[in-house]
Amino acid sequence: NAGVTQTPKFRVLKTGQSMTLLCAQDMNHEYMYWYRQDPGMGLRLIHYSVGEGTTAKGEVPDGYNVSRLKKQNFLLGLESAAPSQTSVYFCASSYSSGAGVGNEQFFGPGTRLTVL
Amino acid sequence: QKEVEQDPGPLSVPEGAIVSLNCTYSNSAFQYFMWYRQYSRKGPELLMYTYSSGNKEDGRFTAQVDKSSKYISLFIRDSQPSDSATYLCAMSGGSGGSYIPTFGRGTSLIVHP
Repeated sequence: NAGVTQTPKFRVLKTGQSMTLLCAQDMNHEYMYWYRQDPGMGLRLIHYSVGEGTTAKGEVPDGYNVSRLKKQNFLLGLESAAPSQTSVYFCASSYSSGAGVGNEQFFGPGTRLTVL
Repeated sequence: QKEVEQDPGPLSVPEGAIVSLNCTYSNSAFQYFMWYRQYSRKGPELLMYTYSSGNKEDGRFTAQVDKSSKYISLFIRDSQPSDSATYLCAMSGGSGGSYIPTFGRGTSLIVHP
């Protein structure tokens, strides 16, 4: 099992450009999440999905869009990149978001994005 | 004030030391408490998971939860250079609360030989 994979690993964009980050998981998890991690800020939730075809906003959703067309994939889009979106982006998945065993999050290796 | 507070460090200790990492929180609905370990340029991985109050031990690691004080701790015994990483606490709620975890900012730990 590959677990959670993210594509690409690194990317440099110019202000105003668009891009899509791809997250894939092979654990048949229902829940998927996108976080950004900035120095001194910890992990902040951007968007999440509780199942195929569903998405919801997290703590810092502005400037991002997401789609979950297939259960195993969760895409994060930046329509018009800004320097404030320079960050490391992590995707995570979990079997459930309910109580107890099963809501452990498995993280991907991250995508380092720089917006000039 | 953030819901979860964690001292970013860095915390530098000699090999073999006992390490204590801590988080405080303000949301009394939190029932599930987790510690993630994140090596440099890697994604976080779950280290310990506890429910409600009490202690949980796994090898050299002990997680402790004190709900009355809204305070959780992770102890590492006989610390090794391979324990050098950032440790993030995370917690989520029960009984109508959100189960999506809220993360602390992480504490950077350096164990030097």
